[in-house]
Amino acid sequence: GQNIDQPTEMTATEGAIVQINCTYQTSGFNGLFWYQQHAGEAPTFLSYNVLDGLEEKGRFSSFLSRSKGYSYLLLKELQMKDSASYLCAAMDSNYQLIWGAGTKLIIKP
Amino acid sequence: IAGITQAPTSQILAAGRRMTLRCTQDMRHNAMYWYRQDLGLGLRLIHYSNTAGTTGKGEVPDGYSVSRANTDDFPLTLASAVPSQTSVYFCASSPGSNSPLHFGNGTRLTVT
Repeated sequence: GQNIDQPTEMTATEGAIVQINCTYQTSGFNGLFWYQQHAGEAPTFLSYNVLDGLEEKGRFSSFLSRSKGYSYLLLKELQMKDSASYLCAAMDSNYQLIWGAGTKLIIKP
Repeated sequence: IAGITQAPTSQILAAGRRMTLRCTQDMRHNAMYWYRQDLGLGLRLIHYSNTAGTTGKGEVPDGYSVSRANTDDFPLTLASAVPSQTSVYFCASSPGSNSPLHFGNGTRLTVT
């Protein structure tokens, strides 16, 4: 079956770096998405990886290893506003998104 | 302001009642989607539409129906609501198959 795994919750300190991991199993693969969702709000797009390697976008970077079925989202210089849930989603061969349950990131001062 | 508008924002509904959740986008995106989000679970696809005039079933379509008469509108109907349909419903759109989704602000539905 198709499956996405990511940690339920993580805690980090303001100003630090945190890495949120995601492993996936899909029928075929057409890319890996990361979304940010603040409590009570809609998910918003952060990044998309379809080739192996690291994509950097400001304080946020996303990494993909297709052979390992593995991705991570790296957040640097954490700010209190980064407290949110981070959703990992893999796109299968039919271009359907398989979603993880999300990782709730708690930032402490 | 370009984007996706969902209505209502929240609703309390008696079991057995019929309800339509509205979704309108002004970005001229071809594809539209309805998801439900429940605590501890990932977003689950209810129905989708790749282009106006076509619809398809997602992972959890039972008890729901959709229509796509034009590019902009994609309403979701619960024919006879049940308590298990209590959830937050998100409408989303995208310009193409592997493009990022743009989400509406959601409808929080409680079925009593």
